[in-house]
Amino acid sequence: DQQVKQNSPSLSVQEGRISILNCDYTNSMFDYFLWYKKYPAEGPTFLISISSIKDKNEDGRFTVFLNKSAKHLSLHIVPSQPGDSAVYFCAAIRIQGAQKLVFGQGTRLTINP
Amino acid sequence: KAGVTQTPRYLIKTRGQQVTLSCSPISGHRSVSWYQQTPGQGLQFLFEYFSETQRNKGNFPGRFSGRQFSNSRSEMNVSTLELGDSALYLCASSLAGGLAGGNTGELFFGEGSRLTVL
Repeated sequence: DQQVKQNSPSLSVQEGRISILNCDYTNSMFDYFLWYKKYPAEGPTFLISISSIKDKNEDGRFTVFLNKSAKHLSLHIVPSQPGDSAVYFCAAIRIQGAQKLVFGQGTRLTINP
Repeated sequence: KAGVTQTPRYLIKTRGQQVTLSCSPISGHRSVSWYQQTPGQGLQFLFEYFSETQRNKGNFPGRFSGRQFSNSRSEMNVSTLELGDSALYLCASSLAGGLAGGNTGELFFGEGSRLTVL
């Protein structure tokens, strides 16, 4: 049972344009969401997070949007840079109860010059 | 401040063997989690240890086990290896492992141990 889904295994975007990575979840009990970025041969690194009481969180070029009614979140990167090429994982957690992160399958983002 | 260290980085085993992977968390971090990454499956949660106790466990068979020592270092063991166990095994540490006290749930990952089972 995949509770967090990233339905696009890959995404290709031109440098300078906006990259939009999507994530859907099924468990309405999740109340905190995170995005991680992973380069080859490295562990994932934390990028940005959002609490379920918010619908938007911004950090520089990165913005995460949360639509609770649709159980959907997205990560926007503007403008996209070649160094953003990586695999992006969304993750969700329920604050009460078993506090383990549930990850999506990942989306490989390629920024083309 | 040193990051999360995992050893070995790469290893090759044959079916039926067992393997032990090691993880040293960031100094001061008491929670250690283990994840398995395979193509198409993302990161699958294995288990989490906090203060030498297994606090959470994922949906993996009993062949997968782990432990945590008093210095927060952790090991995971896989017995009777199968071909499907070939994966990148990632260890992550956090201060308390939970979201109480302002912890955002952010995990700090090591570079992983890539296991190949032949």
